[in-house]
Amino acid sequence: NAGVTQTPKFQVLKTGQSMTLQCAQDMNHEYMSWYRQDPGMGLRLIHYSVGAGITDQGEVPNGYNVSRSTTEDFPLRLLSAAPSQTSVYFCASSQVGGTTGELFFGEGSRLTVL
Amino acid sequence: TQLLEQSPQFLSIQEGENLTVYCNSSSVFSSLQWYRQEPGEGPVLLVTVVTGGEVKKLKRLTFQFGDARKDSSLHITAAQPGDTGLYLCAGGAGNQFYFGTGTSLTVIP
Repeated sequence: NAGVTQTPKFQVLKTGQSMTLQCAQDMNHEYMSWYRQDPGMGLRLIHYSVGAGITDQGEVPNGYNVSRSTTEDFPLRLLSAAPSQTSVYFCASSQVGGTTGELFFGEGSRLTVL
Repeated sequence: TQLLEQSPQFLSIQEGENLTVYCNSSSVFSSLQWYRQEPGEGPVLLVTVVTGGEVKKLKRLTFQFGDARKDSSLHITAAQPGDTGLYLCAGGAGNQFYFGTGTSLTVIP
């Protein structure tokens, strides 16, 4: 049982480059989300989705795009990377939307933007 | 906007000591969750509380949700080295979970 799988685990980009962080879950969860984690700031929500074809913005959406064409996949796109986007990114899924469901997290993707 | 503040930010204690971590907000949440995160891994859920004043116990860990559903605390009795990690509270509102700033706990053998 793989759970939530994120790729790549590590990535170095130059300023202005674009890339996609992949997230896949095999638990048939409707709710999926992307967070970034920075020292002293906990986890901040970037984008989330309550089902295929539905996405919405979180606290810090600028500079990121998402799409949800299938239940399983929720990729995060960086359009033009900036040093401020250096962070650890986590994808999380939950069986239900709303606020009482357990979030299952991937192992994270560490991104450095030079 | 950081809705949830945790204190202390860092905590280093000896094995066997007791400790309390606080999670405070000016916002009301429909639920409050606590997660623990170890280095190189994603957070893992410890508990969810949904009722104001609710108290839940998980072995040596006691979780409380404030009466007004704006704050929460995590108390660990007789801490062990295996309790070392980053503790995160998360408040639920609508379809979003707002995470606290985190408390990094180190338990020294």
